[in-house]
Amino acid sequence: DIQMTQSPSTLSASVGDRVTITCRASQGISSWLAWCQQKPGKAPQILIYKASTLESGVPSRFSGSGSGTEFTLTISSLQPDDFATYYCQQYNSYPWTFGQGTKVEVK
Amino acid sequence: EVQLVESGGGLVQPGRSLRLSCTASGFAFGDYAMSWLRQAPGKGLEWVGLIRSKTYGGTTEYAASVKGRFTISRDDSKSIAYLQMISPKTEDTAVYYCTRVVLVYDSGSPKWGNFDYWGQGTLVTVSS
Repeated sequence: DIQMTQSPSTLSASVGDRVTITCRASQGISSWLAWCQQKPGKAPQILIYKASTLESGVPSRFSGSGSGTEFTLTISSLQPDDFATYYCQQYNSYPWTFGQGTKVEVK
Repeated sequence: EVQLVESGGGLVQPGRSLRLSCTASGFAFGDYAMSWLRQAPGKGLEWVGLIRSKTYGGTTEYAASVKGRFTISRDDSKSIAYLQMISPKTEDTAVYYCTRVVLVYDSGSPKWGNFDYWGQGTLVTVSS
């Protein structure tokens, strides 16, 4: 199975900060990676797919990059609505796997 | 508008079967693969399994943690995907989500890709 490792597990930040979350795959997954956001008590929502393609309706302050084994999610200017938990997920091969999540909290 | 609505969750005793349903609307259900995911209380997301569209065989894939105990099926005439939990264990306690899966192309070959829509989830508690 492909292991997905996110860092950090928790990130303390302020509104307006530039935030970067890293996701590493235990083996190459090309660009078959998605990022989703989850708020407490809610279903996750997709932000980015194929490593860098922004889902329709997602604000442009979100961006993704990387391929192979190293990926990043960047929020260019953190907004109050962005405090949430973020997950990466690979869909290169079965079983599909998620990172453990990164909680972005108020500093 | 695409909607996915899970139902069938609740309290179930270990070893007793439970069937979850995911009722879809707002899109051509038969053209998509559907997937189930879960989230144990206070934990991260875990992929449970997937069922391909009939065009691609209607076959299934499962996580090792549920293989042989859970079965995913679909009824395209009703636009419903099912998750049959055959011998649930206490560690299967979680919120279960269904998702729609997008078809993508890898060097010209089709493959099932990312999730684009999620249901609101249904809580399953396995306890005696």
